[in-house]
Order: sequence, then C-alpha cells, then structure tokens
Amino acid sequence: DVKVTQSSRYLVKRTGEKVFLECVQDMDHENMFWYRQDPGLGLRLIYFSYDVKMKEKGDIPEGYSVSREKKERFSLILESASTNQTSMYLCASSLWMFRGPEAFFGQGTRLTVV
Amino acid sequence: QQPVQSPQAVILREGEDAVINCSSSKALYSVHWYRQKHGEAPVFLMILLKGGEQKGHDKISASFNEKKQQSSLYLTASQLSYSGTYFCGTEMETSYDKVIFGPGTSLSVIP
Repeated sequence: DVKVTQSSRYLVKRTGEKVFLECVQDMDHENMFWYRQDPGLGLRLIYFSYDVKMKEKGDIPEGYSVSREKKERFSLILESASTNQTSMYLCASSLWMFRGPEAFFGQGTRLTVV
Repeated sequence: QQPVQSPQAVILREGEDAVINCSSSKALYSVHWYRQKHGEAPVFLMILLKGGEQKGHDKISASFNEKKQQSSLYLTASQLSYSGTYFCGTEMETSYDKVIFGPGTSLSVIP
C-alpha cells in the first residue's frame, strides 16, 4: 500500500516561531503537494512539487515555503507562524501530475498557533 | 476558481439515493472525486476526463457534463459506510496539472 506519512498529528506552536511540517512517501512518486483544510473552504493548495528541488506555488502560498531535497520528502515551512495559520495541513503524493492517477493523502497535521 | 458543490450537507437513511453536484465557471479538463471520513485522510474515488465516459465504483458513479462544466456524483442504495465529506477537485484546461478542490459536501447515512 502507498503510504504518505506526516511527522506529527498535532502541533502547538507560538506566534512567530518557525515551524516545519514533514511529509514522507514510500512509493517513489514524483509529485507531492501541501494542502490546507479549513471548515467550509475545503482543501486549498499551498505548494506542490513535481521533482526534487522543483516547486510551484498553489493558491495560498503567502506565509509558507517548501523544501524538497529528496524525492520522498516534502517539507512545509511556516517562516513566522501566525494565528491565522491554525489549520489542518494535508500532504499528498501522486505518480505524476493530477492528469494521471490518483493522489494519496497523509493523515494530516493539526497545527494550532497560540 | 474554486468549484461550487451542492448540497452543503445531506442526511440519508440507509438504502436511499443521493446526488452531489460540482460546477465550475471555467472550462474543465478533468474532475476528481474524493471522500474523507471523519479523522481520516481523503481517499480517491474516481476521475472523469474531458471526453471520457461516466465512471462507476461499486454503487457510486459519476458523470461529467463538459458543456455545462458540471459533474455529479451518484450514490445509490446508500450504506452507513458512505458517510463522510465528499470533495470534488477540478482541473481547468488552462491550468495544467493544478487541481482545485471544492468546499465539500457532508453526507451522513443513518440507520
């Protein structure tokens, strides 16, 4: 089975902290994605990557950056956490871009910024 | 750009049917459907491509009306296991490889 693993299920951070959310997939997928999930807004794309060291902005990249140094790992970075970044963050991977097969999602990280 | 889903929420009794709609104001290349159960990751149901046929997955099927930029998900003879939030994701013709998800439809099946 494809597995997408996010390093933490729950995180509590203080305003202004630098926060790292880690995601690892074990199926050699080229593409990885970070989404933010908020009630009533669905899944909003923050960043995606189609290859090592390659990244593209999604719909809401402000306040976030990403890093992909290895194919299996995709990190989301909150440079200076703010309370409006309190949310559920979902990582996903797919074999190639969405016009191809399905995306597989991780369990999510619920981040609370206080 | 976010697609519109309707209804926002629906409650069904076991065995009843439901339809969830997804529409976009932009020309679409594909529509993706996912289901997310409470506390779990979204799980892929099916993808419909422009020019493709209606898809089916057990008693869940979907259609894609390219002229109207709409897709509908049909749940037949609903089971308790169908409960969850259903998301449609749309890929526009002009925005290659970027899928935008709708706000979701909460579906609850009760005995």
